Amino acid sequence: GAGVSQSPSNKVTEKGKDVELRCDPISGHTALYWYRQSLGQGLEFLIYFQGNSAPDKSGLPSDRFSAERTGGSVSTLTIQRTQQEDSAVYLCASSFSVNTEAFFGQGTRLTVV
Amino acid sequence: AQSVTQPDIHITVSEGASLELRCNYSYGATPYLFWYVQSPGQGLQLLLKYFSGDTLVQGIKGFEAEFKRSQSSFNLRKPSVHWSDAAEYFCAVGATSGTYKYIFGTGTRLKVLA
Repeated sequence: GAGVSQSPSNKVTEKGKDVELRCDPISGHTALYWYRQSLGQGLEFLIYFQGNSAPDKSGLPSDRFSAERTGGSVSTLTIQRTQQEDSAVYLCASSFSVNTEAFFGQGTRLTVV
Repeated sequence: AQSVTQPDIHITVSEGASLELRCNYSYGATPYLFWYVQSPGQGLQLLLKYFSGDTLVQGIKGFEAEFKRSQSSFNLRKPSVHWSDAAEYFCAVGATSGTYKYIFGTGTRLKVLA
């Protein structure tokens, strides 16, 4: 596609439910990033995929969060047993390789009620 | 691991005035440095980046930034602000070895007075 695509754009879920957020990076981009943007908190790094290397999961806030990237392309961020503090905008970005510009998707706004 | 600090949460300037947004980073070597802008309801857009070479980099929309190694800073400047520059600005630092993830600051929200 022309840009990074994220779905859904909005998600409202009940506390305790699991959610899956999807990211389609720009074709040919080897690096993929997930960030969380909460009000007044900037962009919080969650996880980073680079090619076939083991992902950098150092930003995942708890073991309820996980992500995978299948076939070096599409990525899914899963949040299990959602809590109200998980409410935020989840942003995905991709870049052609290391040291190059990261292009961002429009984000998924997650609201946990 | 790298980190970045944007000390100003909010800045207000008058249209036509000059602007400087501060960014300080922490990293053991010369990092990759970026400035992104996020307009209301919009995604993040790259303004400029520094990888190496000339420490004064020019970006889009009339912005520039200067890398100062001695001060661990990468401040963003614009000589004359336009009302359309009102947005949130994020500084980011990228590692140059290991995992190449980008770490972002908490952002500076710019308000422009007519």
